[in-house]
Amino acid sequence: DIQMTQSPSSLSASVGDTITITCRASQNIRSYLNWYQLKPGTAPKVLIFAASTLHSGGPSRFSGTGSGTDFTLTITDLQPDDFATYYCQQRYSDPRTFGQGTRVE
Amino acid sequence: QVQLVESGGGVVQPGKSLRLSCAASGFTFSRYAMHWVRQAPGKGLEWVASISYAGRDKDYAESVKGRFTISRDNSKNILYLQMDSLTVEDTAVYHCANEEIYSSYYYVFDNWGRGTLVTVSS
Repeated sequence: DIQMTQSPSSLSASVGDTITITCRASQNIRSYLNWYQLKPGTAPKVLIFAASTLHSGGPSRFSGTGSGTDFTLTITDLQPDDFATYYCQQRYSDPRTFGQGTRVE
Repeated sequence: QVQLVESGGGVVQPGKSLRLSCAASGFTFSRYAMHWVRQAPGKGLEWVASISYAGRDKDYAESVKGRFTISRDNSKNILYLQMDSLTVEDTAVYHCANEEIYSSYYYVFDNWGRGTLVTVSS
């Protein structure tokens, strides 16, 4: 299975900040990388797919970069609604695997 | 709009069974592959099982293979997860999700439900 490693596991930020979360794959996954946002008690949401494509309806302050093994999710001008946990997920090969999550608080 | 609503969770003893349901609306259910993804308390997300749009192809995580069975009823727009021989390690919130394919290559868990909590405890 492909291992996905996120860093940091948590970070403290304030409204208006720009933050970056990194995700590293244990092998080359090209650009088959998605980012999801989770909040307790709500349905998870996809933010970015194909490493850098903003999902429809996603705020433009979210952006993704990377290919191969190293990826980043950047949130500019952090908003109150953005305090959540973020997960990367690879779909290069089965089984689909997720990173361990990054909590933004 | 798309809605996925899970049900069937609860407290169950180790070794027992439980069946989860996921009621879908707002999209053509029979055209989409569907998945179950779980999140154990304090842990990350784990893909559990998938089923093709017509129900012919199924796949499972190694951790549940032989114990869980995914199925669907396209006439009722419902996805199921039959969970047998449950262990404490199966305690988690179980989400259902549909899968969208973008540009023919990019598979995405496009819409999710809020999840249903399964607690396995004696």
